[in-house]
Amino acid sequence: DAKTTQPPSMDCAEGRAANLPCNHSTISGNEYVYWYRQIHSQGPQYIIHGLKNNETNEMASLIITEDRKSSTLILPHATLRDTAVYYCIVRVHISSGSARQLTFGSGTQLTVLP
Amino acid sequence: DTAVSQTPKYLVTQMGNDKSIKCEQNLGHDTMYWYKQDSKKFLKIMFSYNNKELIINETVPNRFSPKSPDKAHLNLHINSLELGDSAVYFCASSQEGVGSYEQYFGPGTRLTVT
Repeated sequence: DAKTTQPPSMDCAEGRAANLPCNHSTISGNEYVYWYRQIHSQGPQYIIHGLKNNETNEMASLIITEDRKSSTLILPHATLRDTAVYYCIVRVHISSGSARQLTFGSGTQLTVLP
Repeated sequence: DTAVSQTPKYLVTQMGNDKSIKCEQNLGHDTMYWYKQDSKKFLKIMFSYNNKELIINETVPNRFSPKSPDKAHLNLHINSLELGDSAVYFCASSQEGVGSYEQYFGPGTRLTVT
């Protein structure tokens, strides 16, 4: 899996949009960008993923640059419950061997402030 | 209904003991995983099973032995526990080859070895 780089921490005011960047400059053409988050003392939770088009679901939006070397996760109206560590991960959609595993980096600690 | 469940949630034991952690998923997924999160919060894959067969076996001591009695269960048995085994262990599952390949994580088992 390609290595990803994320800022170690970010703050965001409650109700405002949280924009979390991720750099994956060595991403391969068949690697997807995944975002997970881990709220304190809980298991990681899937948020969203994409290949090259922008994606949106009920939790967040994912913006991937045209060259696919970076992406931004957007939480449109952050709440206190969004305080968590956010992980950007790249992986291929191949169901064999180590392609299945998620390689977690250190992520970004997002703190939503009241 | 809990999608991925683990028991126990907390486990405190002495060095040298043997213990097991159980994991069950009711999502009908064909792949299950064990991850370890150490005190520095790094999440790392340990094992992966697909349809009861071992797929991924990262460099973990052979004191750790996963057992998959059926597709819905993946248990982790640890022999001769050491202080360094203290960590949070997460079970996860996914359906590979179909859909988004997202992994669903359990709530974690906090193991403390004294």
